[in-house]
Amino acid sequence: GNSVTQMEGPVTLSEEAFLTINCTYTATGYPSLFWYVQYPGEGLQLLLKATKADDKGSNKGFEATYRKETTSFHLEKGSVQVSDSAVYFCALSRRENGNQFYFGTGTSLTVIP
Amino acid sequence: DAGVIQSPRHEVTEMGQEVTLRCKPISGHDYLFWYRQTMMRGLELLIYFNNNVPIDDSGMPEDRFSAKMPNASFSTLKIQPSEPRDSAVYFCASSSLAGGYEQYFGPGTRLTVT
Repeated sequence: GNSVTQMEGPVTLSEEAFLTINCTYTATGYPSLFWYVQYPGEGLQLLLKATKADDKGSNKGFEATYRKETTSFHLEKGSVQVSDSAVYFCALSRRENGNQFYFGTGTSLTVIP
Repeated sequence: DAGVIQSPRHEVTEMGQEVTLRCKPISGHDYLFWYRQTMMRGLELLIYFNNNVPIDDSGMPEDRFSAKMPNASFSTLKIQPSEPRDSAVYFCASSSLAGGYEQYFGPGTRLTVT
């Protein structure tokens, strides 16, 4: 079946530290991969996406590369800020499944000054 | 665009009462999804529609839950009767083929059943 496994949290980092949140997936065919971010009290917002192998999605200093050989889509940022504190969700979607999304459990990030 | 609109933003009700949550998707989107988020179970897909037709409702917890989409710009999720364990944040999301299938989420409705 289709599923996403992401790094357990919570993660606490100091400002300007390097961030990695691991995400691996299981899917047949060629899924699209996404990272969503949820700030406190808000809905999920699309952070970045990649639709085929070796694509790199990037936004607001965050990056993730679609690695088919390792079935991974790890989220990285070189220097985190306090404002990056949020919950991050990895997700996959396959058109063959009617555009249904499969979300990971979310990783809570807290950045301290 | 106004984005996905949900109402009410907060709902407090007593056990046994009927609750109706509302969603207006982004104009032109042909997929609509209802999710429930709790600390214990995380984000769960309840049901989704394509072109106003329910495609998969296997995530609906039980017969107390029902969802409708009478037209392309409006959907409801109804709980009758409500129970304390239904307390959660309920999200609506929409997407489209033209938009690359990424889902756009509304701000959510925080439901508290006492």
